[in-house]
Amino acid sequence: GAVVSQHPSRVICKSGTSVKIECRSLDFQATTMFWYRQFPKQSLMLMATSNEGSKATYEQGVEKDKFLINHASLTLSTLTVTSAHPEDSSFYICSARVRQGEPSGGFSYEQYFGPGTRLTVT
Amino acid sequence: AQSVTQLDSQVPVFEEAPVELRCNYSSSVSVYLFWYVQYPNQGLQLLLKYLSGSTLVKGINGFEAEFNKSQTSFHLRKPSVHISDTAEYFCAVTPYTDKLIFGTGTRLQVFP
Repeated sequence: GAVVSQHPSRVICKSGTSVKIECRSLDFQATTMFWYRQFPKQSLMLMATSNEGSKATYEQGVEKDKFLINHASLTLSTLTVTSAHPEDSSFYICSARVRQGEPSGGFSYEQYFGPGTRLTVT
Repeated sequence: AQSVTQLDSQVPVFEEAPVELRCNYSSSVSVYLFWYVQYPNQGLQLLLKYLSGSTLVKGINGFEAEFNKSQTSFHLRKPSVHISDTAEYFCAVTPYTDKLIFGTGTRLQVFP
C-alpha cells in the first residue's frame, strides 16, 4: 500500500526559531500533498495544498509567510514554521494524494496520511 | 459549501457490544464519503469509503457504513467491538475536489 512518512515525529524548539517538517511518499509519486493541523481533541484543519513545482495554495486564515511550503519533488513536501511561537504548538499531519481507477471505469482520489509531527514551542 | 457533523464526541461501549458512530453531512453537490481512524499520536488510516454503487460499504477491521442519501447520513457500525478499536474516528467528505472536510471526531472508548 501507499506509505507516507513524516520527519521528525516530535520536535521541541524555542520561541523565535524555525522548524522544518518533511513529508515523503515512500513508494509512489504524489503531485499533490496536503498539510493539516490538529489541536488536542479536535479535528484536522486543512492548512494548504502543496503542488509539485508550483506555489502552495493556502486556506483562508493561514499565514503563508509563516508556514512556508515547498514541494520540490514528486516524493517530498516540506513545511517550515518560521519564527515559531507557543501558539504554533500543534500536531501537524501531511497527506499525499493518489489517483485511483475505480471498477465503474471512473477514478477517484484518495489521500494517504503520514504519522504526524508533534511540534512544541517553548 | 460542505460540512460534516459527528453528533457524538464520545461513545463508551463494552467489549463485544455493537457500536454505531453517527455522521451527517451537508452538501449541495454529490460527495464522496470516508471514515478514518486515528490512534493516539498517529496519523489517519482509512477505514472505508463510499464513492458510488452499493450503499452498504464494508471496510477494514470489521467496520461497515451505510450511505443514506435522503437522510444525508453515513453512519459507521461494527457488530462486536474489541479493546483495540479504542481510537478517534473521523467522518469526512469531499465534493470531488479532493479537499477533505472532516467532522469533529468521535472518541470510541471500549471497556473490558
